Amino acid sequence: GAVVSQHPSWVICKSGTSVKIECRSLDFQATTMFWYRQFPKQSLMLMATSNEGSKATYEQGVEKDKFLINHASLTLSTLTVTSAHPEDSSFYICSARSVTGAFFGQGTRLTVV
Amino acid sequence: QKEVEQNSGPLSVPEGAIASLNCTYSDRGSQSFFWYRQYSGKSPELIMSIYSNGDKEDGRFTAQLNKASQYVSLLIRDSQPSDSATYLCAVTGQGGSEKLVFGKGTKLTVNP
Repeated sequence: GAVVSQHPSWVICKSGTSVKIECRSLDFQATTMFWYRQFPKQSLMLMATSNEGSKATYEQGVEKDKFLINHASLTLSTLTVTSAHPEDSSFYICSARSVTGAFFGQGTRLTVV
Repeated sequence: QKEVEQNSGPLSVPEGAIASLNCTYSDRGSQSFFWYRQYSGKSPELIMSIYSNGDKEDGRFTAQLNKASQYVSLLIRDSQPSDSATYLCAVTGQGGSEKLVFGKGTKLTVNP
């Protein structure tokens, strides 16, 4: 299968600071990538669709000014959690579609203290 | 509202048995169907994709799709303890949408 790399795999930050998460497709190009959030014992919730060269599309209820998405190239999308608060602590996962299916990055466990 | 429904389980089977996981979806226009395996604390891993009615086999895994019934299933033969995980059913929308809608997952435990 295709490889999607996400970095960092875990991060602890202080409340009020910002955190950037990178998602790269290593062996294919992805015009579209997806960002999910998963709380413990719950399913994946789509936050936004990242489009190369244009603005991201956010799902209902997701604050676009808080979760900044930049899809700078066909292999890189970034999610920045701005002014993070403890309730933003979660498992963030990116995904990209190749011809064989949708593949996920390793996920980033964010803890805001 | 597009929905994907799965029995949350837990589903418990003995080692060597067949595990059967089921999923129904509400969007009749859905075109692509996927099964993912997610170990605790890890991200989902694609194990099967299916696009047309019928069965698709890959090793110990068989995916079955029935679009008329809006039903997709996953059979795991000769279940192993390492198969213990949460299995997520995912469906794309109609019109070539790349968005995946996930079910809440079924937790499978294979007992040695």
